[in-house]
Amino acid sequence: AQTVTQSQPEMSVQEAETVTLSCTYDTSESDYYLFWYKQPPSRQMILVIRQEAYKQQNATENRFSVNFQKAAKSFSLKISDSQLGDAAMYFCAYRSPTGNQFYFGTGTSLTVIP
Amino acid sequence: EAGVTQFPSHSVIEKGQTVTLRCDPISGHDNLYWYRRVMGKEIKFLLHFVKESKQDESGMPNNRFLAERTGGTYSTLKVQPAELEDSGVYFCASSQVSATGNSPLHFGNGTRLTVT
Repeated sequence: AQTVTQSQPEMSVQEAETVTLSCTYDTSESDYYLFWYKQPPSRQMILVIRQEAYKQQNATENRFSVNFQKAAKSFSLKISDSQLGDAAMYFCAYRSPTGNQFYFGTGTSLTVIP
Repeated sequence: EAGVTQFPSHSVIEKGQTVTLRCDPISGHDNLYWYRRVMGKEIKFLLHFVKESKQDESGMPNNRFLAERTGGTYSTLKVQPAELEDSGVYFCASSQVSATGNSPLHFGNGTRLTVT
């Protein structure tokens, strides 16, 4: 089974600064999908950004971007110009195109310091 | 469009009791998933429905857990009898059928289950 590792249980960032959350995964597949989800305190988990493994270009969504290194099996999330509303638990997830399971990491709790 | 809704949001029960969690997916989403997160651990897959059929239930911990999705609409997850290690947050998620696999999951708020 695929595994997803998030090695940073907690991170903090000063408001307006940039922070990078790390994620690595283990797979023998060549095609797959990667996602970052965000769960604010007491709120619903929502999709932040997604990346198809066959695309070389890193995905971006406004202040959120990824650094996808396929050979290294690394998928880090960069948050630029951090805002107080970015404080949340962030989960990295992997999905195989041949199955329907999503595999999640243990999450990184991000604190934004005013 | 209404999102995925879960009920109850919190449940505190004693060991040996029964609890039933409910999930209403987004209308039109054939895929429905149950996941569980124990404090500090990863979100673990429990099972996956496609419409009313169980596509994959490899993550169900044991036969104390029973999931149903009558008519392919809402789903229930029953734990009977509950044990201490069943405590955690149970997430439901739904997604559209996708030929390519890049359809994201839409999550509910989760049910926090505490077994005492």
